[in-house]
Amino acid sequence: AQSVTQLDSQVPVFEEAPVELRCNYSSSVSVYLFWYVQYPNQGLQLLLKYLSGSTLVKGINGFEAEFNKSQTSFHLRKPSVHISDTAEYFCAVRGGPYGGATNKLIFGTGTLLAVQP
Amino acid sequence: GAVVSQHPSRVICKSGTSVKIECRSLDFQATTMFWYRQFPKQSLMLMATSNEGSKATYEQGVEKDKFLINHASLTLSTLTVTSAHPEDSSFYICSARPTGTQETQYFGPGTRLLVL
Repeated sequence: AQSVTQLDSQVPVFEEAPVELRCNYSSSVSVYLFWYVQYPNQGLQLLLKYLSGSTLVKGINGFEAEFNKSQTSFHLRKPSVHISDTAEYFCAVRGGPYGGATNKLIFGTGTLLAVQP
Repeated sequence: GAVVSQHPSRVICKSGTSVKIECRSLDFQATTMFWYRQFPKQSLMLMATSNEGSKATYEQGVEKDKFLINHASLTLSTLTVTSAHPEDSSFYICSARPTGTQETQYFGPGTRLLVL
């Protein structure tokens, strides 16, 4: 079984500052990793995903994440945030191609990114 | 591409009534769809996995007789909350996995249910 930990429930940051949202996972099998963003009263939008290959993954809206297998982490970063980036961000994990039949997405508890002017 | 819609976006109903929520994949076929429930300021909890033409697989603790799921076509899944009670009030979100893929799910905008 997989699990995801997002230690920071809320991250306040000033506009144009860099930000990192932390995500750690645990799994006994290979994994796929995802970051989703949720704006108020809306569904989830895929920011980026790691399936295989390069450990640095670039997504939409200027976000990127790095898969670190040794540290079991998949932290999300953006070099310069905007007010419009204010939203809830969810990290998610599921079993990878050799992970058996574990095809369910397991979500972290979310991190609220609060960008201040 | 890869758009998932939900209808209605919000619904208010009286206790004891049933409510049906539709989830549609608009520009792709989805053999598998998922239903999640999200409480305020919390994460998404998977309720059930819906496979076209077969019975849904429910997660532990989810009452299958209360949350009826039908996935009659490759673009439509429905969730019916039967005999709704105030504790069923929540944000329900569906997602759809394009047929032939294993990695990515696309999420609908969610349905806010309020049971009075």
